Amino acid sequence: EIVLTQSPGTLSLSPGERATLSCRASQSVSSSYLAWYQQKSGQAPRLLIYGASSRATGIPDRFSGSGSGTDFTLTISRLEPEDFAVYYCQQYGSSPTTFGQGTKVEIK
Amino acid sequence: EVQLVESGGGLVQPGGSLRLSCAASGFTFSRFWMSWVRQAPGKGLEWVANIKQDGSEKYCVDSVRGRFTISRDNAKNSLYLQMNSLRAEDTAVYYCAKTGGSGWLRGMNWFDPWGQGTLVTVSS
Repeated sequence: EIVLTQSPGTLSLSPGERATLSCRASQSVSSSYLAWYQQKSGQAPRLLIYGASSRATGIPDRFSGSGSGTDFTLTISRLEPEDFAVYYCQQYGSSPTTFGQGTKVEIK
Repeated sequence: EVQLVESGGGLVQPGGSLRLSCAASGFTFSRFWMSWVRQAPGKGLEWVANIKQDGSEKYCVDSVRGRFTISRDNAKNSLYLQMNSLRAEDTAVYYCAKTGGSGWLRGMNWFDPWGQGTLVTVSS
């Protein structure tokens, strides 16, 4: 199965700053079949990005995804107070689908 | 509004059984692959099982094969997870999730939306 490694484990930033989250796959992800989710404490995950770069319905354009092959990035252009959360990547190009271990974006 | 509501979680002893349910509304349930995804306390996400629109195909992660069974009732817009021979390591919040798009390889795709989850605790 494909192992996804997210970095950093924790990102300490201030509101208004840019956040760059990395997701690296142990082997190439077919057709850029990669998604990103946001999870706030006590809540279910929420889809942000699918197909590596397509924003889900209702997701603000400050969230963007990029990458292909084994290296993918989620960028939050300017952090809003509600963006501090844990972010997970998921690959669905190979069975079974797998998730990264998460990156926590915390307020500095 | 698309909504998924799980129920059936609780405390169960090792070796015991539990049946989770997920009630779907706001979309045509019978047109989508559906999945269960779990999250152990303080840990990351793990896909557990999925099922095709008509129930003719089912897949699961190796760690639950032979113990967990996924099923659905399209007439009731409901998804189920029968969990037998439960172990301490099955302790987690179990989420019901709708597969985005039409699913491709074994129904895999992104998950959107997710239910609020139901907690399963396996302990003596």
